[in-house]
Amino acid sequence: DVKVTQSSRYLVKRTGEKVFLECVQDMDHENMFWYRQDPGLGLRLIYFSYDVKMKEKGDIPEGYSVSREKKERFSLILESASTNQTSMYLCASIGGVGELFFGEGSRLTVL
Amino acid sequence: GENVEQHPSTLSVQEGDSAVIKCTYSDSASNYFPWYKQELGKGPQLIIDIRSNVGEKKDQRIAVTLNKTAKHFSLHITETQPEDSAVYFCAASPGGSYIPTFGRGTSLIVHP
Repeated sequence: DVKVTQSSRYLVKRTGEKVFLECVQDMDHENMFWYRQDPGLGLRLIYFSYDVKMKEKGDIPEGYSVSREKKERFSLILESASTNQTSMYLCASIGGVGELFFGEGSRLTVL
Repeated sequence: GENVEQHPSTLSVQEGDSAVIKCTYSDSASNYFPWYKQELGKGPQLIIDIRSNVGEKKDQRIAVTLNKTAKHFSLHITETQPEDSAVYFCAASPGGSYIPTFGRGTSLIVHP
């Protein structure tokens, strides 16, 4: 069964802390994505990567960075977490015909 | 860029009723239209998709219709069951590795 795995389901962090959200896919997909999900706002694209060490900004990149050192792993980094970054974060990879495979999500609370 | 509008934002039905969720898109280059279902505490999962060379596609109780001229597509769920309760997202893209544009989601509640 194909899988996108997000290592942390629930995190609680303090304002100013550095936060790493890890995502691994086992489908050998080239493209990977990080989305943020908030009630009423749907899925908003933060960053995406189409190859190792390549990254592109999405719609809301401010306050975030990413790392793609290996094809299967895509990390989202919050350099200095703020309360307005409290949200659900979803990682995804894209298949050959355009379908997205999502992880289970990481719910981050910043106090 | 592409813009996808999705309605309604909330839909409440009785078990056994039908449910319809509608989406419109703006970019005529889009030719791949997936629908995702997100159950509570989980990530979205693809439930059905349609391509622009097809007008309708069915899979058991769910169906999707596409009108390319009017740039709208819809998800139809018949004989709804409580386990259909979830958030549903539509999306549009040119297909392949292109990034899909999502609607804002519809929260479907099926009352037993």
